Amino acid sequence: EAQVTQNPRYLITVTGKKLTVTCSQNMNHEYMSWYRQDPGLGLRQIYYSMNVEVTDKGDVPEGYKVSRKEKRNFPLILESPSPNQTSLYFCASSLRDRGLKGYTFGSGTRLTVV
Amino acid sequence: SQKIEQNSEALNIQEGKTATLTCNYTNYSPAYLQWYRQDPGRGPVFLLLIRENEKEKRKERLKVTFDTTLKQSLFHITASQPADSATYLCALDAGGGADGLTFGKGTHLIIQP
Repeated sequence: EAQVTQNPRYLITVTGKKLTVTCSQNMNHEYMSWYRQDPGLGLRQIYYSMNVEVTDKGDVPEGYKVSRKEKRNFPLILESPSPNQTSLYFCASSLRDRGLKGYTFGSGTRLTVV
Repeated sequence: SQKIEQNSEALNIQEGKTATLTCNYTNYSPAYLQWYRQDPGRGPVFLLLIRENEKEKRKERLKVTFDTTLKQSLFHITASQPADSATYLCALDAGGGADGLTFGKGTHLIIQP
């Protein structure tokens, strides 16, 4: 089954403790992206990657890091999480030509930073 | 700055009627526009994509129109059913090497039996 897999599904952590949210896709997609979703603000892009070793900032990149060492994986790293990073996070992937088909989203990671 | 506007209030429609959702945008030249469905706590699910040179797209009970002069897209669900109740997101993409999808905040659709 074609899918984007995120882990973990839920995470509660403390301020300053480094964490990684994993994202993996099995569709051989070149394009991958991370979004956060907050009430009243909608989905906002954090980082995106056009291909292996190619990443760029989205609209809200502060406090986040990403890497794209393999085509299928695009982990999101929070080096020193803060409470304002409490949010629902989604990973998505797409073909290089994003106008051919839509994005496939993961099931989401609900992160709480206390 | 780029702005995408969708009905911020919930839209209540009686079962069997056609639901019409609006997406307006400013300061944007999208190469294509997409519509997604999102259920509470779940990831968005792709529904339809329409390119800038297309006026209308259909898929089963769904229809999307795209007017680049008015800077507006309309999303229609005909013969609506309670199972269609969800939040519907409009998203724009400038294409090429640009940033990818920019989402509107969504319209919450409620289909009442």
